[in-house]
Amino acid sequence: GENVEQHPSTLSVQEGDSAVIKCTYSDSASNYFPWYKQELGKRPQLIIDIRSNVGEKKDQRIAVTLNKTAKHFSLHITETQPEDSAVYFCAASKGSNYQLIWGAGTKLIIKP
Amino acid sequence: DTGVSQDPRHKITKRGQNVTFRCDPISEHNRLYWYRQTLGQGPEFLTYFQNEAQLEKSRLLSDRFSAERPKGSFSTLEIQRTEQGDSAMYLCASSLETGGLTEAFFGQGTRLTVV
Repeated sequence: GENVEQHPSTLSVQEGDSAVIKCTYSDSASNYFPWYKQELGKRPQLIIDIRSNVGEKKDQRIAVTLNKTAKHFSLHITETQPEDSAVYFCAASKGSNYQLIWGAGTKLIIKP
Repeated sequence: DTGVSQDPRHKITKRGQNVTFRCDPISEHNRLYWYRQTLGQGPEFLTYFQNEAQLEKSRLLSDRFSAERPKGSFSTLEIQRTEQGDSAMYLCASSLETGGLTEAFFGQGTRLTVV
């Protein structure tokens, strides 16, 4: 079955710097890759997603890149701010949310 | 609040007891999902409903777990004879499936502690 690996497990960056979180997936049939942000004690919230027919997508300070050949996708956050501190999860799906397989999460810490 | 709501938010129970959680999805959403999340891990899929039909169950969902969505609106997840290993956050999510991929919205979760 599908397996999603996420690195690093913890990432500490200085406020204003960029943060990059990487994920790899095993099932080449996966075609939908969302990223969720989960603050402590709160629900996961979708921040950006990308489909397999696109190589890159950007939304203000957040961007996601997808390399289908390498089965690798990454989240990029630029100009980090204290409110970016949270756990970020990547996930992969073959086309329907019920098949969403999640990474283990990255705890992002923004240092003032 | 028009989002996904779950009740209760927290549940402490003794091992061997039965517990039931409720999820109220966003009203027009036809898909409802249950996930389980343990500390430091991503959510793990348990089961999902398309309207009132339960279409998929994970191997994680043992015989002690049962989920229902009788009228295609709210759903319940029951765990019988709880074990300490059942301690986790149980998340519900809903989405509106119209043939294409759409975002799943999550509830706040029910944190279960089995003592």
